[in-house]
Amino acid sequence: AQKVTQAQTEISVVEKEDVTLDCVYETRDTTYYLFWYKQPPSGELVFLIRRNSFDEQNEISGRYSWNFQKSTSSFNFTITASQVVDSAVYFCALSGMSRDDKIIFGKGTRLHILP
Amino acid sequence: DVKVTQSSRYLVKRTGEKVFLECVQDMDHENMFWYRQDPGLGLRLIYFSYDVKMKEKGDIPEGYSVSREKKERFSLILESASTNQTSMYLCASSLWGGRSGANVLTFGAGSRLTVL
Repeated sequence: AQKVTQAQTEISVVEKEDVTLDCVYETRDTTYYLFWYKQPPSGELVFLIRRNSFDEQNEISGRYSWNFQKSTSSFNFTITASQVVDSAVYFCALSGMSRDDKIIFGKGTRLHILP
Repeated sequence: DVKVTQSSRYLVKRTGEKVFLECVQDMDHENMFWYRQDPGLGLRLIYFSYDVKMKEKGDIPEGYSVSREKKERFSLILESASTNQTSMYLCASSLWGGRSGANVLTFGAGSRLTVL
């Protein structure tokens, strides 16, 4: 069975601090995708990144970076020099690569960036 | 620039009523999904469809059914609404796996359903 665990329910940091959101996954598939989505206070979920299981290179996009480690089944997300606009709920998700695979989400981490 | 449209942003229904939630996407995506979002529970998959007239149960299908007669439209049906179905319902679509952009979900704005 597939499972995504985001152990941090809620995090508060002061603006300009770095913050890491944890994601641990379980799957029996040998090939799979991992995702992060952002849900700002306005409510609509926005895609941030997709990684596939055969590419363990870390990725950086501006202040955002992602650390994928198959050995620990983790796909952690770091925001550097956080800003108030980063305040949102962040979801990690997992899917297989077949056409009839589910896309399963973690419960989300609510991030508060304090000015 | 609308891509996934959910027909109703807010609905209030009574227990026992039949409820239809409609979702339309204009991106020619094969896959469509219905999730519900509840505080502390994240997004839970109700049903998904990877082709016209195909449907697969998600993790919480009980009390729901779906219909996909056309590629662009995926309807969620509550045959007899109950108070525990009060929730935010999110529709999403994606390309089928294996291609660039595969399984990347585009979400609608959500439909907040209250069952009294």
